[in-house]
Amino acid sequence: GAVVSQHPSWVICKSGTSVKIECRSLDFQATTMFWYRQFPKQSLMLMATSNEGSKATYEQGVEKDKFLINHASLTLSTLTVTSAHPEDSSFYICSARGQGVSPLHFGNGTRLTVT
Amino acid sequence: DAKTTQPNSMESNEEEPVHLPCNHSTISGTDYIHWYRQLPSQGPEYVIHGLTSNVNNRMASLAIAEDRKSSTLILHRATLRDAAVYYCILWRSKLIFGQGTELSVKP
Repeated sequence: GAVVSQHPSWVICKSGTSVKIECRSLDFQATTMFWYRQFPKQSLMLMATSNEGSKATYEQGVEKDKFLINHASLTLSTLTVTSAHPEDSSFYICSARGQGVSPLHFGNGTRLTVT
Repeated sequence: DAKTTQPNSMESNEEEPVHLPCNHSTISGTDYIHWYRQLPSQGPEYVIHGLTSNVNNRMASLAIAEDRKSSTLILHRATLRDAAVYYCILWRSKLIFGQGTELSVKP
């Protein structure tokens, strides 16, 4: 089946630093990738949608200058949390979709802790 | 965004069938019904999806009402590994997750 690899699986960083999370589709071309954030005991919240080669579309309330998304190829998207603060600590999950009406395939998430 | 309504939690016994309901009364004609499940500290896992007809795969079956305003995910024989949060979502160019149903399976 379709595999999405997300790296790193966990990261601890100091407040004020930036963190980059990678999301790769390993065996299919992902025309669209989505980034989600999930706080403890809550559901996933969609942050942004990115299509290869174009700018990401951010959901309302998500700061595009803080959460930089790059989708430079059909197999790789990155999310950079800039100037991270403790309130950015969360579980970040990417997902990817191929062509047509195929379902989303999710990475295993990145646990970000900002100290 | 199209809204779905699911019970917060359900309980089942191991090796018995489980029927997980979902209401989506505002569904439009082109909305696909997707089901995903999530185990703790993992990304969601695709379970099944459909448009109008009932669907079967190796994981589950999806029964869609004739008016498409509701659907039911059927796990034919629940195992302990099926304990998870199950999300019913309408695909409308993106997946917006609701609160889902937390399924617990008793041995």
